[in-house]
Amino acid sequence: SAVISQKPSRDICQRGTSLTIQCQVDSQVTMMFWYRQQPGQSLTLIATANQGSEATYESGFVIDKFPISRPNLTFSTLTVSNMSPEDSSIYLCSVRTGTGANVLTFGAGSRLTVL
Amino acid sequence: ILNVEQSPQSLHVQEGDSTNFTCSFPSSNFYALHWYRWETAKSPEALFVMTLNGDEKKKGRISATLNTKEGYSYLYIKGSQPEDSATYLCAYNTDKLIFGTGTRLQVFP
Repeated sequence: SAVISQKPSRDICQRGTSLTIQCQVDSQVTMMFWYRQQPGQSLTLIATANQGSEATYESGFVIDKFPISRPNLTFSTLTVSNMSPEDSSIYLCSVRTGTGANVLTFGAGSRLTVL
Repeated sequence: ILNVEQSPQSLHVQEGDSTNFTCSFPSSNFYALHWYRWETAKSPEALFVMTLNGDEKKKGRISATLNTKEGYSYLYIKGSQPEDSATYLCAYNTDKLIFGTGTRLQVFP
């Protein structure tokens, strides 16, 4: 299955700033998925990033807050804009493994703490 | 809103103990149920994908069962080891994965 490199692994950010998370896959994939896990909550899908088109956002998530880039088939970025303490979460990117039934391979995550 | 629930929220066991935890999901329009293991500072790792009622899957000391009619799955760990310490997530598969909040397992030597 694919190997995903994600960075930063963790960061401490100031309120009102923005941070971009990068995700690099070692093979070409059509779709990349961005998830968030807030403390005590479940892993929640933010958006699906397709190469060559705008990302598809889930209910409750908007492009202005979480702009996504997908410049090629192996790379994507997620920006968390104008951060507040409520954005303190683990953010993960993932891709389908190709073994069927939506099985996902994940990056190791980016743990953001917003002060 | 589809709800996937896991219990217990956390579990502390001694090395060598066997343990199990539960995932509850909607029983209608079932497609698949996933289990993932997520160790601290690592990537979540797929353990099982289960699609058929009555399915049983096994990987070493870890096994899982599935009841789609009543909407639950059990994950069992036999003879827990410290390296089993992780958060175990289940995910209900519709057109996307709906995750539970996980069961955090700590195994003490």
